[in-house]
Amino acid sequence: SAVISQKPSRDICQRGTSLTIQCQVDSQVTMMFWYRQQPGQSLTLIATANQGSEATYESGFVIDKFPISRPNLTFSTLTVSNMSPEDSSIYLCSVNGQGRWHTEAFFGQGTRLTVV
Amino acid sequence: AQKVTQAQTEISVVEKEDVTLDCVYETRDTTYYLFWYKQPPSGELVFLIRRNSFDEQNEISGRYSWNFQKSTSSFNFTITASQVVDSAVYFCASANQAGTALIFGKGTTLSVSS
Repeated sequence: SAVISQKPSRDICQRGTSLTIQCQVDSQVTMMFWYRQQPGQSLTLIATANQGSEATYESGFVIDKFPISRPNLTFSTLTVSNMSPEDSSIYLCSVNGQGRWHTEAFFGQGTRLTVV
Repeated sequence: AQKVTQAQTEISVVEKEDVTLDCVYETRDTTYYLFWYKQPPSGELVFLIRRNSFDEQNEISGRYSWNFQKSTSSFNFTITASQVVDSAVYFCASANQAGTALIFGKGTTLSVSS
């Protein structure tokens, strides 16, 4: 299996500022995924982060707004830039397991962001 | 493209009632994976089950059971003798191959009252 540590667990931020969310995995993984869950909504994929290459963004999400770093096989960051109240959401990091767990999807505990 | 539909937005039951959460999926792939997750008010996603497209066996785990039917593209989840602690949002999700991102349904909010 995979254990994911996500920080911070929650934050309240002023509009116009940026927040960087960290995701640490206890094993090396090829791909890491970032999701957004707006209040009362389902999870939507923001981007897929591969180590050593630029992240691949889904429609509606752009690198300038959600820059992602993937410096190694166990760590990634997602930055929410120039925040507005509409960015208030839960942001979740996810990885797929390795070996016999390769079809499992594991999630961090999420970062609950409130923009005021 | 894959799609997951959870037609039930909210369900309310009284403790000890049985409840079934519906999930219908769409995919053109012959190999795919289906998942159920529970999201309690605390917000974390709790993995419940994964099912491969080539394994149509139903599964039972305690009070939980899952009915996978490829003929109707459904992967329904039943909670027997529901409890207050079952109150949560339940998400059905799919992936078209191992190691890819999940496509989530909109979720069903289950409220169990005592």
